Amino acid sequence: GAVVSQHPSWVICKSGTSVKIECRSLDFQATTMFWYRQFPKQSLMLMATSNEGSKATYEQGVEKDKFLINHASLTLSTLTVTSAHPEDSSFYICSAQRLSGNTIYFGEGSWLTVV
Amino acid sequence: SQELEQSPQSLIVQEGKNLTINCTSSKTLYGLYWYKQKYGEGLIFLMMLQKGGEEKSHEKITAKLDEKKQQSSLHITASQPSHAGIYLCGAANRTASKLTFGTGTRLQVTL
Repeated sequence: GAVVSQHPSWVICKSGTSVKIECRSLDFQATTMFWYRQFPKQSLMLMATSNEGSKATYEQGVEKDKFLINHASLTLSTLTVTSAHPEDSSFYICSAQRLSGNTIYFGEGSWLTVV
Repeated sequence: SQELEQSPQSLIVQEGKNLTINCTSSKTLYGLYWYKQKYGEGLIFLMMLQKGGEEKSHEKITAKLDEKKQQSSLHITASQPSHAGIYLCGAANRTASKLTFGTGTRLQVTL
């Protein structure tokens, strides 16, 4: 079964509103989680590193104020897309590493459509 | 920055045939992960390789990391329709678990 879970799987929101996506590690603690974005028929692009108890680290070109990341507990990271626009429509996916064995697991992904 | 090139970009094979997907890195690999994805869905972990020359197998899928740790291959034996999907290789950096992904290989298996 899934060890990293994302919610919601699908979300549609109006332009200008904000939407939150959750990423949970189900049976292990993750001090670090990662958020990726995937455009149609393309590979995954890392957006930011979510650090428990501290600020997220963003990749070059990713707007910090647009994509707010909060990692309030060892099992939950949230990505909030603020003032969403149609160009933010995409597939967002998170990952977390199980420290025993180093395996990196991914969530099921979340489809965001901004209308 | 590290770049990963996968080849081929897409592949159509007949059921029962063998196939190989390659992943070449511009820098030394500290850890190489293989995942399978169906478009629009999450990534399914297949295998992780860390040591030069390492080879791992799971069911009909075998992955290898070459001695110089700059290339990996994924081999599927006797392909089945269930193997269809997008295969992604991901390189881990030295100190963290964030991954840089390859360009992906889209596999179709025909009956």
